Amino acid sequence: EAGVAQSPRYKIIEKRQSVAFWCNPISGHATLYWYQQILGQGPKLLIQFQNNGVVDDSQLPKDRFSAERLKGVDSTLKIQPAKLEDSAVYLCASSPSGNEQFFGPGTRLTVL
Amino acid sequence: AQRVTQPEKLLSVFKGAPVELKCNYSYSGSPELFWYVQYSRQRLQLLLRHISRESIKGFTADLNKGETSFHLKKPFAQEEDSAMYYCAPFQGSPGSNSGYALNFGKGTSLLVTP
Repeated sequence: EAGVAQSPRYKIIEKRQSVAFWCNPISGHATLYWYQQILGQGPKLLIQFQNNGVVDDSQLPKDRFSAERLKGVDSTLKIQPAKLEDSAVYLCASSPSGNEQFFGPGTRLTVL
Repeated sequence: AQRVTQPEKLLSVFKGAPVELKCNYSYSGSPELFWYVQYSRQRLQLLLRHISRESIKGFTADLNKGETSFHLKKPFAQEEDSAMYYCAPFQGSPGSNSGYALNFGKGTSLLVTP
């Protein structure tokens, strides 16, 4: 089966600009996660969706980050405006059951 | 506070030597524990979970509730085991949509040299 797809793979922007990431989960997976992985650290959950509803967004910096999952399939994560400390790899994962997760290749964001 | 600790940032062993990657957790209740692995230029992927009690690629991990540890072990390391390893507790009932996601440790980079 096809894996989790993410685009773009790399993005370089200047601070205060906006950026959006896209994720297409594995077909049939109801749960979708966005993680932020800063260099040298493990992935940190930003937001979790169950179908098109938000289950947990307690660690999402809502003043600048937003995410949606329309129709319970694809998802987009947006940062507006970006800060230097947002430089990281953004990982999307999906799960059929809520525990074992399948990860995408990630989007590497560099904020200058 | 819920916490997972991987004390070694880097672990270097010779091929054929035993390897143990340490993971300690501090959680209320009984989390389900996973080890995830990321090989060079590959995606993060599940290596094994404690609930299945299986051996994957020669690795095993035993949950020690008394010591709150879930160390990953392999008796004879191979060069292809070189990768980044993450311990990740998950707190929620298997198959549930409880809203709890994986809480990753900072990871241990394993380097197996010939």
